Amino acid sequence: DAGVIQSPRHEVTEMGQEVTLRCKPISGHDYLFWYRQTMMRGLELLIYFNNNVPIDDSGMPEDRFSAKMPNASFSTLKIQPSEPRDSAVYFCASSWTSGFIYEQFFGPGTRLTVL
Amino acid sequence: TQLLEQSPQFLSIQEGENLTVYCNSSSVFSSLQWYRQEPGEGPVLLVTVVTGGEVKKLKRLTFQFGDARKDSSLHITAAQPGDTGLYLCAGDGPSGSQGNLIFGKGTKLSVKP
Repeated sequence: DAGVIQSPRHEVTEMGQEVTLRCKPISGHDYLFWYRQTMMRGLELLIYFNNNVPIDDSGMPEDRFSAKMPNASFSTLKIQPSEPRDSAVYFCASSWTSGFIYEQFFGPGTRLTVL
Repeated sequence: TQLLEQSPQFLSIQEGENLTVYCNSSSVFSSLQWYRQEPGEGPVLLVTVVTGGEVKKLKRLTFQFGDARKDSSLHITAAQPGDTGLYLCAGDGPSGSQGNLIFGKGTKLSVKP
């Protein structure tokens, strides 16, 4: 399998612009997670889906952030409008239920810079 | 709220030295995982421990899960520059949040040749 695929790998945009990050999970996985990583705050969970349904979005910073999972093989994280404080590395991860063990597989991340 | 505290936050050692990093919580976890993240990449799962007192070995890496399933340690013997990276521990989330992991902030390890 190709692993979790994220695009783009790098994104530089100006404040106020819309940003869309994309993720293709590993085939057969039923969980999908979006994280944000910064030096100060570490790895923060933004939202996660189970069988394409959002389960917990309490980590989404504010209404400027939205995420969708229209089918089992694709998800997007959108920021509109973007702000400099959104600059971070955004990771997508997927997993499947194996008994009670949940092992997550991460994509390579999207490094977002908002000027 | 379940939290995982990792220590030390940073560790810089010479090649060949041994080291131990810790992951502690006041909460009980059904399982705990260790990930390693190299610069510019996503975290990669190293091991999962599920039984209190369990010890798992992965070449020069030894992972231990505390008897009470509240803490874990990672010991590296004869560290090499290739061990450099961010080590993250993660435990299963609050009950009712199946599938969600709680991550610690990590230990950043630098092994100098």
